[in-house]
Amino acid sequence: KAGVTQTPRYLIKTRGQQVTLSCSPISGHRSVSWYQQTPGQGLQFLFEYFSETQRNKGNFPGRFSGRQFSNSRSEMNVSTLELGDSALYLCASSLAPPAGLETQYFGPGTRLLVL
Amino acid sequence: AQRVTQPEKLLSVFKGAPVELKCNYSYSGSPELFWYVQYSRQRLQLLLRHISRESIKGFTADLNKGETSFHLKKPFAQEEDSAMYYCALGEVTGGGNKLTFGTGTQLKVEL
Repeated sequence: KAGVTQTPRYLIKTRGQQVTLSCSPISGHRSVSWYQQTPGQGLQFLFEYFSETQRNKGNFPGRFSGRQFSNSRSEMNVSTLELGDSALYLCASSLAPPAGLETQYFGPGTRLLVL
Repeated sequence: AQRVTQPEKLLSVFKGAPVELKCNYSYSGSPELFWYVQYSRQRLQLLLRHISRESIKGFTADLNKGETSFHLKKPFAQEEDSAMYYCALGEVTGGGNKLTFGTGTQLKVEL
């Protein structure tokens, strides 16, 4: 099976702009999670989607949003970019059992640089 | 609130020496713990999870609820073990899944 794919891989934006990142999960996986990775804060959970619904959200401002489509592909959007948003954004997909945790499989990430 | 602590940012060992990467957690419920590894220029990948009780690439980890620890161990380090290792706590919350990661430990195996 093909792994989780993320596009674009690299992105440069300026402060105040907005950005949209895309994630395609492993075929058959219905849950998609997003994480932000920075040298200072490490890996932090952003949100999780299942069946086009956000099930869980981390402690990030409302400028960070996401959505999931009927084919399980997901996008995340960051509006009014700040310098501190520079990070590696990771997407992870998993099967979505009725209960319990399933292993998350990570994509290569999108590296965002805000100037 | 849940928290995962990895006290060492960098751990350097010689090839053939034992390895122990420390992980402590804070969680009020029944924890599910994972170790993820990131090799140079590769994506983050699961190494092992405590419920499977498997040994992957010679690594093992035992959940100690009394000490709230989930240390990763390997009896003899290999050069290819050099990587970044993350301990993570998984929980089902709000109907969904969430991983809380530690800050990671860079393992360097020297010849």
